[in-house]
Amino acid sequence: GAGVSQTPSNKVTEKGKYVELRCDPISGHTALYWYRQSLGQGPEFLIYFQGTGAADDSGLPNDRFFAVRPEGSVSTLKIQRTERGDSAVYLCASSLGPARGVRWNTEAFFGQGTRLTVV
Amino acid sequence: AQKITQTQPGMFVQEKEAVTLDCTYDTSDPSYGLFWYKQPSSGEMIFLIYQGSYDQQNATEGRYSLNFQKARKSANLVISASQLGDSAMYFCALLTMEYGNKLVFGAGTILRVKS
Repeated sequence: GAGVSQTPSNKVTEKGKYVELRCDPISGHTALYWYRQSLGQGPEFLIYFQGTGAADDSGLPNDRFFAVRPEGSVSTLKIQRTERGDSAVYLCASSLGPARGVRWNTEAFFGQGTRLTVV
Repeated sequence: AQKITQTQPGMFVQEKEAVTLDCTYDTSDPSYGLFWYKQPSSGEMIFLIYQGSYDQQNATEGRYSLNFQKARKSANLVISASQLGDSAMYFCALLTMEYGNKLVFGAGTILRVKS
């Protein structure tokens, strides 16, 4: 596809269940970010991949959250034992840039997000 | 102090008029960047404009300009000749090594353009 694709667009799950959120970046983009956007707030950084490796996972809130990018393209954000406080829109962004910083952020493309609701 | 503050939860503007969206920030790092993004109802974040802390001129991109007042630590977005399609959420974001070289976003301002 032409842009960053996130699936599903909406996910409703019961408290305590496991969920996976998928991000398909633009082909050839090496850098990929996950953000979480709670209602009425700006996005908050979760994790950043450069290629297959997580270069910075300091934004993951706890060990229930994990993300992978095994082949350096598609990434999956995994949340175990979901809690109601995990309800948010999860955004993914990708870029060609090999490095972070100004250039990456001005050239990054965002997906439309996955709205996760934990009931 | 808050790292990045947007004090206007919502704004209205008449079509074809200009509007200013406020943003103040806090960092002790002399090198930083300020970004504005638009988020329409579809959800994706769209980059609009960037201002570097050492840039001599205020940034402009088409109908968007940034009123950068370094001493006041403010970076207000000015949208000229508003259009109905400008109705969206707008976020200001700060990038600096002090905060781990990752974008820190404000809470956003909802802009509604009236016809």
